[in-house]
Amino acid sequence: ETGVTQTPRHLVMGMTNKKSLKCEQHLGHNAMYWYKQSAKKPLELMFVYNFKEQTENNSVPSRFSPECPNSSHLFLHLHTLQPEDSALYLCASSPSPDTYYEQYFGPGTRLTVT
Amino acid sequence: KQEVTQIPAALSVPEGENLVLNCSFTDSAIYNLQWFRQDPGKGLTSLLLIQSSQREQTSGRLNASLDKSSGRSTLYIAASQPGDSATYLCAVEEYGNKLVFGAGTILRVKS
Repeated sequence: ETGVTQTPRHLVMGMTNKKSLKCEQHLGHNAMYWYKQSAKKPLELMFVYNFKEQTENNSVPSRFSPECPNSSHLFLHLHTLQPEDSALYLCASSPSPDTYYEQYFGPGTRLTVT
Repeated sequence: KQEVTQIPAALSVPEGENLVLNCSFTDSAIYNLQWFRQDPGKGLTSLLLIQSSQREQTSGRLNASLDKSSGRSTLYIAASQPGDSATYLCAVEEYGNKLVFGAGTILRVKS
């Protein structure tokens, strides 16, 4: 266990549904990240939060809405997704914004959009 | 734009064999390079981190090298074991604090 948990681990949703992914870290870190991992493609950075403030949005469509209520929790709210959004969504955390290289990853949420 | 390529995309070897995974990147202006392991149903685990000023790092049966000027890194696994079966990812940290990942090499070690 890396100290980063994600729920749910698997999610199937229709294109008209609204759902949320949750990430929690128990490491006392101050930076949190959302990544998308599609089959046979590199991980794509989606969002970065430092001390609860969003510092990067990597041109992510608005149907993905992140929320970071505190340094330990990160959510990804999903609505009106497309089938091409089906992927593994990984959350990560690092001690500070200056330690990008020291990221601890959660196990991911396998999302299927039907 | 930085691009990271990993070759081969998949590799199957018999137990006990030594093997090399390759990673190349297009922009040599990096802070460091990192090799990760990803198991099914689990997140990424960092294996080795090589700073841009270093040439290699070793951990047990793993040895990673970095040739920054040519944009290449290799991960050498000695005496492979079935437990080494996983996806191996290479990532470079760019100036501006961003990790750019390759698509990974899926390794299967047969017993």
